[in-house]
Amino acid sequence: QKEVEQNSGPLSVPEGAIASLNCTYSDRGSQSFFWYRQYSGKSPELIMSIYSNGDKEDGRFTAQLNKASQYVSLLIRDSQPSDSATYLCAVISGGGADGLTFGKGTHLIIQP
Amino acid sequence: GAVVSQHPSWVICKSGTSVKIECRSLDFQATTMFWYRQFPKQSLMLMATSNEGSKATYEQGVEKDKFLINHASLTLSTLTVTSAHPEDSSFYICSATAFSTDTQYFGPGTRLTVL
Repeated sequence: QKEVEQNSGPLSVPEGAIASLNCTYSDRGSQSFFWYRQYSGKSPELIMSIYSNGDKEDGRFTAQLNKASQYVSLLIRDSQPSDSATYLCAVISGGGADGLTFGKGTHLIIQP
Repeated sequence: GAVVSQHPSWVICKSGTSVKIECRSLDFQATTMFWYRQFPKQSLMLMATSNEGSKATYEQGVEKDKFLINHASLTLSTLTVTSAHPEDSSFYICSATAFSTDTQYFGPGTRLTVL
């Protein structure tokens, strides 16, 4: 059974601070890792993908992957109230023909 | 780029009727399309994977005779919920991937309410 675990939160962070979101996965054969943001009542929107160990930066977002520890994280710098949403960690174990296994998501609240 | 549309965005139907949901990739050809379902306060669960011109692959526990998937072209997949019941009420979301990539782009979702 492939599992993706996230702390459901809510995680409350002051505006301008760094928000740190974490995710662990059970399938050691997982190859592709994604972070999606989902606003209430909306579908997920892609923030970042990461495939190799280490850090990947895109604007205010940094994804970190550690395959040995089966751990993925997302850092959001200079957090804005508009970043308040549920952040979903998702994993693909095989190739592009495989669906995503999602975590339950972390509810992030940025306090103005 | 990478825009996926869904229609309708919401639908209300009576128990026992069938509902068809369309998923289209607007600016790319989708190698594979996926259908997910999300119940309130829960995460997305994969229902099935479809490739153009072939039968869909359903996840364990998803009834293939109840959730009919047709992937007629590289830009269109449809999900038909047959004989819908109140427990089928959910948020149905499709996604699509393009050639040589595993990044999935999601449609805006269809909220189904079965009375």
